[in-house]
Amino acid sequence: EDKVVQSPLSLVVHEGDTVTLNCSYEVTNFRSLLWYKQEKKAPTFLFMLTSSGIEKKSGRLSSILDKKELFSILNITATQTGDSAVYLCAVEARNNTGKLIFGQGTTLQVKP
Amino acid sequence: SAVISQKPSRDICQRGTSLTIQCQVDSQVTMMFWYRQQPGQSLTLIATANQGSEATYESGFVIDKFPISRPNLTFSTLTVSNMSPEDSSIYLCSVGDRGRYGYTFGSGTRLTVV
Repeated sequence: EDKVVQSPLSLVVHEGDTVTLNCSYEVTNFRSLLWYKQEKKAPTFLFMLTSSGIEKKSGRLSSILDKKELFSILNITATQTGDSAVYLCAVEARNNTGKLIFGQGTTLQVKP
Repeated sequence: SAVISQKPSRDICQRGTSLTIQCQVDSQVTMMFWYRQQPGQSLTLIATANQGSEATYESGFVIDKFPISRPNLTFSTLTVSNMSPEDSSIYLCSVGDRGRYGYTFGSGTRLTVV
């Protein structure tokens, strides 16, 4: 059965800290791994990763995928209170385009 | 990427009643999906909304409880039928046209059943 496991489930840091969020997965016929940020209801897209070892960056956020070890990390540097949210990792199988399997999410709280 | 308008944003409903949630997309999309997020949980796929044919439901979800319509390539509805407090969740639609920005989600509907 396809599954996604995120760790830690929750994290409390102070502004300026760097955090690393983990996502491991098992999926038959992997196509892509996606990271989303969820603050209220709607998840907002962060990254889509399809190839191993290629880091994707957007400002203070970066992510990388290891298809051999079946995991991905999301790094946030110089955290700000606005980074407080639930971070969701999801995988997509090649034969199920658009159908995402989500992990439990990591709740990040950034204190001033 | 597609822009999705989802409504209602939230509702409080009596048990035993039904609620229909709508998603309107600003462009034609091949696939639309409906997800549920129960309190404190992650997103779970309910079904794939197929244009012109019956929806495809995931294990644990049935058409009688969650009827779905997809009359055209820009619109879909999800009905939560005969509601119970266990149906209190956030319901989200998404579009499955894979662009540079992944898969876009609607703004979500927060449903509380009392």
